[in-house]
Amino acid sequence: DAGVIQSPRHEVTEMGQEVTLRCKPISGHNSLFWYRQTMMRGLELLIYFNNNVPIDDSGMPEDRFSAKMPNASFSTLKIQPSEPRDSAVYFCATLPLAGGYNEQFFGPGTRLTVL
Amino acid sequence: ILNVEQSPQSLHVQEGDSTNFTCSFPSSNFYALHWYRWETAKSPEALFVMTLNGDEKKKGRISATLNTKEGYSYLYIKGSQPEDSATYLCAFTNSGYALNFGKGTSLLVTP
Repeated sequence: DAGVIQSPRHEVTEMGQEVTLRCKPISGHNSLFWYRQTMMRGLELLIYFNNNVPIDDSGMPEDRFSAKMPNASFSTLKIQPSEPRDSAVYFCATLPLAGGYNEQFFGPGTRLTVL
Repeated sequence: ILNVEQSPQSLHVQEGDSTNFTCSFPSSNFYALHWYRWETAKSPEALFVMTLNGDEKKKGRISATLNTKEGYSYLYIKGSQPEDSATYLCAFTNSGYALNFGKGTSLLVTP
């Protein structure tokens, strides 16, 4: 398996533009998580899905952020409009169906810079 | 938000030194405690998932202990090597799903 796949790996955009980050989970993993890494706040959970259904989006910072998981093999995190303070590394991670005591598998991350 | 604290924030040791870091977490509603190793420009990779009070896990020169009653875990590295240089993250969960990460301990091992 190729592991968790994220695209793009790097994104540079201007304030006000829409940004879409993409994630392809490991096949058979039914839970998917979006995290954001910043120097100030460390690695923080934004939202997670079980079986394509959003379970907890309490970490989503504002209405400008939205996430979808239309099927078991694809998820997006969208920021519209983007702002400079959104600059961070965004990680997608997945978990097997059993969840619980299993480790999460992280993708390589998308480094977002908003100018 | 569940508060997870790690110390020290950073550490610089010489090759061959043994070292340890601390992770503290809420002692109530414990489900599991994860340790991840994160190298620069790579993805975090799981080291251990610890679930029982008194758990002790080992992987090569790295080991970890868990005390759920007082809410702390230690990670030990014996005979540090330059390739151990990374950020070590711990994460607490009370659900088995959502992980609350500490800010990590950044370890630098110099030859």
